[in-house]
Amino acid sequence: EAGVVQSPRYKIIEKKQPVAFWCNPISGHNTLYWYRQNLGQGPELLIRYENEEAVDDSQLPKDRFSAERLKGVDSTLKIQPAELGDSAVYLCASSPLAGGPWGPETQYFGPGTRLLVL
Amino acid sequence: QQPVQSPQAVILREGEDAVINCSSSKALYSVHWYRQKHGEAPVFLMILLKGGEQKGHEKISASFNEKKQQSSLYLTASQLSYSGTYFCGTDDTPLVFGKGTRLSVIA
Repeated sequence: EAGVVQSPRYKIIEKKQPVAFWCNPISGHNTLYWYRQNLGQGPELLIRYENEEAVDDSQLPKDRFSAERLKGVDSTLKIQPAELGDSAVYLCASSPLAGGPWGPETQYFGPGTRLLVL
Repeated sequence: QQPVQSPQAVILREGEDAVINCSSSKALYSVHWYRQKHGEAPVFLMILLKGGEQKGHEKISASFNEKKQQSSLYLTASQLSYSGTYFCGTDDTPLVFGKGTRLSVIA
């Protein structure tokens, strides 16, 4: 079974520039998550999708961040404009709607996109 | 509410044991454990469910004390491959992760 795919793996941009991250979840997984992970910290949720609907975006800085999940499969996370404090690893994860073989809400993470804003 | 993990970091020699704790200020239904190696994505280890049902990793065990709202991860006879940062996630929807415990196993 193919895992969660993310691209790009690394991105370096100057502040005030836009940036976009792409995620392809595991086939059949209806729930998709975007996390931000700062150095030495645990993942922090930005947004969660159930199919194409954003059901939890309370932690998404909506003034500069946006996300979409067209057709309930792939998802894109965008930052415009980027700030120095946005430097972090952006993780995408997915899970089956009803939970995985290990119980509710088990999440399968992609490799992440490491963003550096200069 | 973010769970609290302890210790923040631990260094072991191969073959030694370690315990990582995860505490919550709220009642829990389940606790999830993940391990993240440097530069890689977090990988699911196991889930502990209220009532004592445990599913997951073959070489790492864990306990879940519902009354104390706490879970502990036990790594016995540690191997070099156990090195990484261990995160617990508590059963808010979605999971809320702790800050992690960095485990280093040295030869």
